[in-house]
Amino acid sequence: ETGVTQTPRHLVMGMTNKKSLKCEQHLGHNAMYWYKQSAKKPLELMFVYSLEERVENNSVPSRFSPECPNSSHLFLHLHTLQPEDSALYLCASSHDSHSETQYFGPGTRLLVL
Amino acid sequence: GDSVTQMEGPVTLSEEAFLTINCTYTATGYPSLFWYVQYPGEGLQLLLKATKADDKGSNKGFEATYRKETTSFHLEKGSVQVSDSAVYFCALSDSSGGYNKLIFGAGTRLAVHP
Repeated sequence: ETGVTQTPRHLVMGMTNKKSLKCEQHLGHNAMYWYKQSAKKPLELMFVYSLEERVENNSVPSRFSPECPNSSHLFLHLHTLQPEDSALYLCASSHDSHSETQYFGPGTRLLVL
Repeated sequence: GDSVTQMEGPVTLSEEAFLTINCTYTATGYPSLFWYVQYPGEGLQLLLKATKADDKGSNKGFEATYRKETTSFHLEKGSVQVSDSAVYFCALSDSSGGYNKLIFGAGTRLAVHP
């Protein structure tokens, strides 16, 4: 059971495609996060949003473009990705950006061909 | 910067065996410490946490004690079940950037056989 949902669960795209990942949280939280989980590497924080404002862009390439239209929704727009961008992309939320406990969605498994 | 190191897996155990997954951390302050679990095909779930030295977090038979002197937060369970098969992540909270972010270890895969 999770209050954070992500769609799609699986995505295959070519390097010239444009796609978007969607995250929605039903917990009334004010902070949302994107993480990248690659094989044999620790989870990498990509972006942090607090009250719809980006507070962290953790040196992520510009081919990843986040969008947070409201506190319940978070998108990750993808364009001209590379095969090394293939990974599990996890969304999380927390009560606010100072909260220590984060709640994760199931992730989107992305394969870039 | 802050970091978390946990034992490499996979860890393979028989049902009812004792489990230990080691976790050590490096931090400039006194972070809160966490164990998250990821079951196959799912996202991460908070398993337990401890917020200060000597605190013991516990949940579902799992325990971990915040040891400041050894900078460790080892995960233990007295008798594992097949349903405990998952990947376990140790993490700490870092609030140095004006917001709280989690720093994770690489994860340890646990496989429990009947």
